[in-house]
Amino acid sequence: GAGVSQSPSNKVTEKGKDVELRCDPISGHTALYWYRQRLGQGLEFLIYFQGNSAPDKSGLPSDRFSAERTGESVSTLTIQRTQQEDSAVYLCASRSPNNEQFFGPGTRLTVL
Amino acid sequence: AQSVTQLDSHVSVSEGTPVLLRCNYSSSYSPSLFWYVQHPNKGLQLLLKYTSAATLVKGINGFEAEFKKSETSFHLTKPSAHMSDAAEYFCVPRSRGSQGNLIFGKGTKLSVKP
Repeated sequence: GAGVSQSPSNKVTEKGKDVELRCDPISGHTALYWYRQRLGQGLEFLIYFQGNSAPDKSGLPSDRFSAERTGESVSTLTIQRTQQEDSAVYLCASRSPNNEQFFGPGTRLTVL
Repeated sequence: AQSVTQLDSHVSVSEGTPVLLRCNYSSSYSPSLFWYVQHPNKGLQLLLKYTSAATLVKGINGFEAEFKKSETSFHLTKPSAHMSDAAEYFCVPRSRGSQGNLIFGKGTKLSVKP
């Protein structure tokens, strides 16, 4: 079946602009994660959604970052007033019932 | 708290020779551990996972890992490297909290020489 998809695959924006990144999880996966991967680094956890529960936002680096999820489907990650340090690959993962996380291809964000 | 240490930032092997990527964990309880692979400009792919059901875990593409509690290790091995194995490999514990997020370190870059 289809895996996790993300869009856009690449986004170049100017400092100070807002960006919105989208994630379509695997159908039936109730848990969804956003991670960030800076150049040459491992992934940093950003936010976690589980069903209709309140999201765990403990990994968000600043209040410029927010995310939403509609039910158990699409999620969007929004970064307001982007800064150059926000440049990274943003990865989304959905979790199967046996606790395996499947990652999307990521969105490469470049802030000029 | 739990964490892992991947002892080598870069490993280089010749095609056809064995691969050993080392991972040691620190945890006061039996952890959930995963190995992920990330090929250049591609997404992360799950290789295998340890969840206490079996200490020797077989994954995809001929990789396997053995959980050794006495050594607090979960090293990734493959008998014979292939050029297509060149990638970044991450040994990843899962957070014990309710969110269950994966805790990534910097990984080990595997190079395979012809």
